[in-house]
Amino acid sequence: QTVVTQEPSLTVSPGGTVTLTCASSTGAVTSGHYPNWFQQKPGQAPRALIFSTTTKYSWTPARFSGSLLGGKAALTLSGVQPEDEAEYYCLLYYGGVRVFGGGTKLTVL
Amino acid sequence: EVQLMESGGGLVQPGRSLRLSCTTSGFIFGDYAMTWFRQAPGKGLEWVGFIRIKPYGATTEYAASVKGRFIISRDDSKSIAYLQMDSLKIEDTAMYYCSRGPGGIPFDYWGQGTLVTVSS
Repeated sequence: QTVVTQEPSLTVSPGGTVTLTCASSTGAVTSGHYPNWFQQKPGQAPRALIFSTTTKYSWTPARFSGSLLGGKAALTLSGVQPEDEAEYYCLLYYGGVRVFGGGTKLTVL
Repeated sequence: EVQLMESGGGLVQPGRSLRLSCTTSGFIFGDYAMTWFRQAPGKGLEWVGFIRIKPYGATTEYAASVKGRFIISRDDSKSIAYLQMDSLKIEDTAMYYCSRGPGGIPFDYWGQGTLVTVSS
């Protein structure tokens, strides 16, 4: 059973920078896992932010960026805004099937 | 305008079946794979499975947790994707979402979800 691991929670100050990571139990995350990142706020459907490791959707704010970092997928928020407080999920591809990470609750304080 | 709307959720007893629909508009349905996700109350997101487009045989892939019990199908003439859920378990209780993709720009549009509650 493949497990995708994210930090359960992170806290960042407004205007600060924070990096969320996504690790795979099978080894290093690569571009071949086509990492996707999603944001979800309470009571709402998820909203896609990043696909294929680094590509933004048309609505993704410029302060969000995706990368590979130390064998993990990473989502960096630079210049965090209060409205970025949310749950963030990564999704990885494993040859047909996909697996979500457990999510990171980001608090802006 | 691209729209997806899930329907068919409700309360069902363990062991029974339910079929969810994902009704879409605003895009050429037959050009897109379709994916189902779910989220148990207070828990994280789970990928359920997806169906490829007809040129790829409309073949399907499923999460281990639902394989053999759930079947995804599509009706391109109606622009609807279905999730047939059999032998339901209490742990299948969740909000079920559909999204278009993967392929192209994946998972760009989502429905608002339909709630399935499995309980006796």
